[in-house]
Amino acid sequence: EVQLVQSGAEVKKPGESLKISCKGSGYSFTSYWIGWVRQMPGKGLEWMGIIYPGDSDTRYSPSFQGQVTISADKSISTAYLQWSSLKASDTAMYYCARIRVPGWYFDLWGRGTLVTVSS
Amino acid sequence: SSELTQDPAVSVALGQTVRITCQGDSLRSYYASWYQQKPGQAPVLVIYGKNNRPSGIPDRFSGSSSGNTASLTITGAQAEDEADYYCNSRDSSGNHLDWVFGGGTKLTVL
Repeated sequence: EVQLVQSGAEVKKPGESLKISCKGSGYSFTSYWIGWVRQMPGKGLEWMGIIYPGDSDTRYSPSFQGQVTISADKSISTAYLQWSSLKASDTAMYYCARIRVPGWYFDLWGRGTLVTVSS
Repeated sequence: SSELTQDPAVSVALGQTVRITCQGDSLRSYYASWYQQKPGQAPVLVIYGKNNRPSGIPDRFSGSSSGNTASLTITGAQAEDEADYYCNSRDSSGNHLDWVFGGGTKLTVL
């Protein structure tokens, strides 16, 4: 089955670090871009950045540049989104999604990882 | 970066036709893709490209585009179509790889 499996929900304190994951299966993980999308509580979707696992080429939305780090380990078909110092405003659902090219649309989504940052 | 504007809420009577629109300068250069999101679930792609449906998406969903406006039409809306709908496209401003999502439209099926 073609799917993206995301890591489980996290509860963290402000200032802590965090790395969440997105594991692809059922397709050639290194041949498709993977994107990360944030959805704050009760809000819409925001594109954060993308990575091409084949060569780790990474692009960030200007809104998230410097705030998060996107990486991938192609040997285990997994992409990552990480924070070095979480803020309460990072509380959100984070989705990974596969990107189809040409067209640049998100055709396969993970179920999301809920990150809660609270003191 | 560019913006995509959607009506916050739209309603439709069961079995009737509804059009959800998305406006933005980037749509003059790139097709929109459309995503359906039901409460507590991840988004699902329903339309991409000029007017393409992924496997498993009913043919009552269709897409169109004119100028700076993209539209998602549901012909014969069903109760299960009640959801939030988001448009998305490449961002045509600047020279970097960037995307933009619309703010979303909450569809109510009456």
